Amino acid sequence: EPEVTQTPSHQVTQMGQEVILRCVPISNHLYFYWYRQILGQKVEFLVSFYNNEISEKSEIFDDQFSVERPDGSNFTLKIRSTKLEDSAMYFCASSARETSNEQYFGPGTRLTVT
Amino acid sequence: QQQVKQSPQSLIVQKGGISIINCAYENTAFDYFPWYQQFPGKGPALLIAIRPDVSEKKEGRFTISFNKSAKQFSLHIMDSQPGDSATYFCAASWGYGNKLVFGAGTILRVKS
Repeated sequence: EPEVTQTPSHQVTQMGQEVILRCVPISNHLYFYWYRQILGQKVEFLVSFYNNEISEKSEIFDDQFSVERPDGSNFTLKIRSTKLEDSAMYFCASSARETSNEQYFGPGTRLTVT
Repeated sequence: QQQVKQSPQSLIVQKGGISIINCAYENTAFDYFPWYQQFPGKGPALLIAIRPDVSEKKEGRFTISFNKSAKQFSLHIMDSQPGDSATYFCAASWGYGNKLVFGAGTILRVKS
């Protein structure tokens, strides 16, 4: 069964450093998303991406964040200058427009900013 | 208006019992209501979903009940098992390709 994969599973970085989180969505999907989940809290939307451009972004997704689909398979989230409050689980998800908006999530990357 | 309110925050059920989790929404534009199951350290896994044109959907031991007029929907887990112990999130969205708005989550523990 196809699945969304994410790397790395855990990233530790120092405050102010840049991090890139990587995702490989399900191959025939058209919509891509990043969500985050602070420990013990609900899942929050960050950004959606379709046809090589951002469809929607939340208030969390400020100028420090960017997304890119550098090739036909990878989808990345970059945080330019990490802050302590960026520590969270980051989930990539994908969906196929032809179906009922079913979004499939990857296993997540745990980002720890020290 | 974009919020989805979920209750209870936590739930303890005996093995074989019925687990019920409720969600309510305000935005009438929502037309897709999934439930996700999340185990510790894992990503949310799509469990079951419903559209507002039906009032109930059943898949195995999992049933979604949907009340359009009340703007509420609920997840029922029949014959709950210890392996069902997880955090359950309701969510809502609209159309295709749009974000999911998640509820706060319910931590379910099934006692054996």
